[in-house]
Amino acid sequence: GAVVSQHPSRVICKSGTSVKIECRSLDFQATTMFWYRQFPKKSLMLMATSNEGSKATYEQGVEKDKFLINHASLTLSTLTVTSAHPEDSSFYICSASSGAGDPKSEQYFGPGTRLTVT
Amino acid sequence: AQSVSQHNHHVILSEAASLELGCNYSYGGTVNLFWYVQYPGQHLQLLLKYFSGDPLVKGIKGFEAEFIKSKFSFNLRKPSVQWSDTAEYFCAVNTNAGKSTFGDGTTLTVKP
Repeated sequence: GAVVSQHPSRVICKSGTSVKIECRSLDFQATTMFWYRQFPKKSLMLMATSNEGSKATYEQGVEKDKFLINHASLTLSTLTVTSAHPEDSSFYICSASSGAGDPKSEQYFGPGTRLTVT
Repeated sequence: AQSVSQHNHHVILSEAASLELGCNYSYGGTVNLFWYVQYPGQHLQLLLKYFSGDPLVKGIKGFEAEFIKSKFSFNLRKPSVQWSDTAEYFCAVNTNAGKSTFGDGTTLTVKP
């Protein structure tokens, strides 16, 4: 099956710094990538949808200037948490799909990145 | 806006027991429904999906789900669970934009 990787798997950063998380589709071209945030014992909350070569579409309540998303190629999307604060500590998960905007397209999930802001 | 509700937050079963996890959705249009599973320490993976046709869909590892349009439901079932089925299960609805709305998840613990 399709494989999606994320790097790093864990990151600890100081408050006020920025951290970048990479999401890669290893064996397929991902026209669409999604970024989620998962809180303890809670569902996945969709943060934004990114299509290769275009600006990301952010969900209501998600600050686009704080969570910068870049999808420069069909195999790589990055999420940069700028000026991180302790409340940004969370588990961030990306998923990738090869069907641009196709509601029948399956999403392939990465293993997630645990961000801790001290 | 669509929403997904999973009523069972934590289910504990003994091996060989039958399983049914509830999922109800709220969406006015055509739905595409998914069940994902997250085993301990692993990432989410697709269990099964429904787009159209036969409302009873079969997935991997003996799981199946039934789409009941009149009840806006897509419950997951397995006749006989195994210890290895211990995991978090998520129901999801896809919108026309291809993005998924997830339920809060159900933690299944199977006792050996």
